[in-house]
Amino acid sequence: QVELQESGPGLVKPSGTLSLTCTVSRGSITSNNWWSWVRQSPGKGLEWIGEIYHTGTGSANYNPSLKSRVTISVDKSQNQFSLKVTSVTAADTAVYYCARARTMEGGAFDIWGQGTVVAVSS
Amino acid sequence: DIQMTQSPSSLSASVGDRVSITCQASQDISNNLNWYQQKVGKAPKLLIYHASKLETGVPSRFSGSGSGTDFTFTISSLQPEDFATYYCQQHDNPLITFGQGTRLEIK
Repeated sequence: QVELQESGPGLVKPSGTLSLTCTVSRGSITSNNWWSWVRQSPGKGLEWIGEIYHTGTGSANYNPSLKSRVTISVDKSQNQFSLKVTSVTAADTAVYYCARARTMEGGAFDIWGQGTVVAVSS
Repeated sequence: DIQMTQSPSSLSASVGDRVSITCQASQDISNNLNWYQQKVGKAPKLLIYHASKLETGVPSRFSGSGSGTDFTFTISSLQPEDFATYYCQQHDNPLITFGQGTRLEIK
């Protein structure tokens, strides 16, 4: 069973850059799936950030509301994909999840990481 | 962008009850609609994909129906472990949106 694990700093200063990595284990990032980031602000619902296919940055899609500040990339040699969010504010404080979407089944997120808490504060 | 309107936002019910949650898309999404369960402090769990297909290992008391713009998620007989928050999610390539969530509470 494929497993996902998020990693990265738990605290980021306002106006800084949030950087997270998701490591794929017990499976390959080059499988026919899309790899996504989803976040959840305290007490709020789920917000999709964006996704990438293993062929690289040319195969990334982003939430229009975040697109100007977000970059998702893939590192096939490390079996990882990463998230960068620039110019962060307190509104970016959230639990960040990485997830796998099944390409052929309506983009269902069938595997999730446990989530990592990121706080934006000085 | 496709908007998902999920209702109700909260629901109180008892063990053994039948409950339903609806999700309406702002435009036709065919059957590209999935349902998740999330418990406090945990990642969401996929229950239903392609509007009506039961994910492997998920109990048969969970079901989904609908296509186009109107979708329904049903739990036929609530169990104690079912009290959680439920989300719908659409995937109309290439963008993805979630419903606002339905918090299912014990009456």
